Amino acid sequence: ETGVTQSPTHLIKTRGQQVTLRCSSQSGHNTVSWYQQALGQGPQFIFQYYREEENGRGNFPPRFSGLQFPNYSSELNVNALELDDSALYLCASSLGGTSGVYEQYFGPGTRLTVT
Amino acid sequence: AQSVTQLGSHVSVSEGALVLLRCNYSSSVPPYLFWYVQYPNQGLQLLLKYTTGATLVKGINGFEAEFKKSETSFHLTKPSAHMSDAAEYFCAVRYQTGANNLFFGTGTRLTVIP
Repeated sequence: ETGVTQSPTHLIKTRGQQVTLRCSSQSGHNTVSWYQQALGQGPQFIFQYYREEENGRGNFPPRFSGLQFPNYSSELNVNALELDDSALYLCASSLGGTSGVYEQYFGPGTRLTVT
Repeated sequence: AQSVTQLGSHVSVSEGALVLLRCNYSSSVPPYLFWYVQYPNQGLQLLLKYTTGATLVKGINGFEAEFKKSETSFHLTKPSAHMSDAAEYFCAVRYQTGANNLFFGTGTRLTVIP
């Protein structure tokens, strides 16, 4: 059983560009959540996808968008990058959507640097 | 406002000493409570969680935490620190309604002194 994987590991972009980050969920998991972790901070919830539908969203602007595919892998897209978007982006997979208390399994993250 | 507070952004203990990392939450309804550990350049690993039932929860690597509703706290402890415990620790909550997402504290960096 493979765990949660994310790609790429590191990424450097220029302000104003667009970026796509990818996440493969753990086998059998149908829910993916994305978090942004700025340096020295705790992770902040961006949004969650359950069975290919957005299932909740944190306080992030619309230029943060996502997708979940039929195999439950997911993408996070960020348009019009700003310097403050520099952070570690964490993906977590779990079962169940909103019901129950299902453990979230985190990937190693993608470190995005915006210059 | 719903929030998670971790007192002390940095905690240093000697090897073999007690580890105590503090976490308080603010919510009118007790949430589900979690502690995660993050080693350098890695994702988050679940140490333990409290959902219902016994308020003293045991986790991996010898850690435990006690849910105290009257104090709105969920402090993490370990009787004897090991060098391998040096990491960043995050307390998190999930509220009983809404999406299955976590709200994290700002983290406590634990240093273990040999």
